[in-house]
Amino acid sequence: EAQVTQNPRYLITVTGKKLTVTCSQNMNHEYMSWYRQDPGLGLRQIYYSMNVEVTDKGDVPEGYKVSRKEKRNFPLILESPSPNQTSLYFCASSAYRGHQPQHFGDGTRLSIL
Amino acid sequence: TQLLEQSPQFLSIQEGENLTVYCNSSSVFSSLQWYRQEPGEGPVLLVTVVTGGEVKKLKRLTFQFGDARKDSSLHITAAQPGDTGLYLCAGVVQGAQKLVFGQGTRLTINP
Repeated sequence: EAQVTQNPRYLITVTGKKLTVTCSQNMNHEYMSWYRQDPGLGLRQIYYSMNVEVTDKGDVPEGYKVSRKEKRNFPLILESPSPNQTSLYFCASSAYRGHQPQHFGDGTRLSIL
Repeated sequence: TQLLEQSPQFLSIQEGENLTVYCNSSSVFSSLQWYRQEPGEGPVLLVTVVTGGEVKKLKRLTFQFGDARKDSSLHITAAQPGDTGLYLCAGVVQGAQKLVFGQGTRLTINP
């Protein structure tokens, strides 16, 4: 089954404690991205990757890092989380480019206390 | 400022009623996608519209892309409780290669 898998699905942690949210897709997609979803703001892109070792900033990249060492994986790293990063995060992939329909994971709800 | 404005942001109606959700912008889009998101899940693509004036139907859902490719609408006929969810429009800005999402319309259909 074609899917984008995120882990963990839920996480409550404290300010400053580094965390990583993993994302893996099994569709051999080149393009992957991370979004955060906040009430009234819709989905905002954090970072994206057009292929292995190619990453770039989206609209709200501050406080986040990503890496793309393998085609299938695109982890999101919060080096020093802060309460304003409390949000619902989605990983997505598409076949070639970011303007194509996106396949989304089921989301990771992060709470930073 | 939101590039894509969706309205209404919240809508609660009775089963059997009709409704329309709007997605508006001052920018021109190469194409526009509509997604539906249910609680605990990620958005799922419903349809992509590409041509100005295009109309696509998905059972009781009708999607229209404006002639000038700056706006779109989603019309649901005889809404069912199963239509409940968050509806998101996402546009591809002409010349760019990324999606811009609207804020979403949270739709509740009451039995």
